[in-house]
Amino acid sequence: GNSVTQMEGPVTLSEEAFLTINCTYTATGYPSLFWYVQYPGEGLQLLLKATKADDKGSNKGFEATYRKETTSFHLEKGSVQVSDSAVYFCALSDSWGKFQFGAGTQVVVTP
Amino acid sequence: DAGITQSPRHKVTETGTPVTLRCHQTENHRYMYWYRQDPGHGLRLIHYSYGVKDTDKGEVSDGYSVSRSKTEDFLLTLESATSSQTSVYFCAIENGTYEQYFGPGTRLTVT
Repeated sequence: GNSVTQMEGPVTLSEEAFLTINCTYTATGYPSLFWYVQYPGEGLQLLLKATKADDKGSNKGFEATYRKETTSFHLEKGSVQVSDSAVYFCALSDSWGKFQFGAGTQVVVTP
Repeated sequence: DAGITQSPRHKVTETGTPVTLRCHQTENHRYMYWYRQDPGHGLRLIHYSYGVKDTDKGEVSDGYSVSRSKTEDFLLTLESATSSQTSVYFCAIENGTYEQYFGPGTRLTVT
């Protein structure tokens, strides 16, 4: 079956540092890939997505590229802010009702 | 923001009692989902619905039932609550392009 593996956290970094969160997946088909963000006490929010190989999703300074050859969808941001502190989830879906989430990576940004 | 609400937002109940959580959407989307979120497990799918009166099981459906009598409402029932069902429950809707949008969550404690 499909699965998503993302790096464990917490990831702690200083403001303005570069952020990378690794995500790899296994899937039998050609899934759509997503990054979601969850702030404390809230539900998940869609951050960005990519629907086919070599697509780049981007939003709020975050980017991720769908790499079929390495089955990866790593999340990056060039300069993080304290407000980026949250839990980030990588996810995939290749059909209705079939959404697979990674375990989540907590990011802590210090001033 | 997607029009999705959950009620109640917090609930404490005793072991053995039935509990019903409600998810309400104003987006008229066909697909709706119930997840639970627990530390170390990420999000796990309980049940989902692909239309009125059409539902299916997810990976952790034991002890849960659902109903959908109207497009806008998706109910999750714990027939006889147990301490292992203490969790945060999230409802999500899907917009037809595999994008899911989440409600604010219900924190359920079973004592």
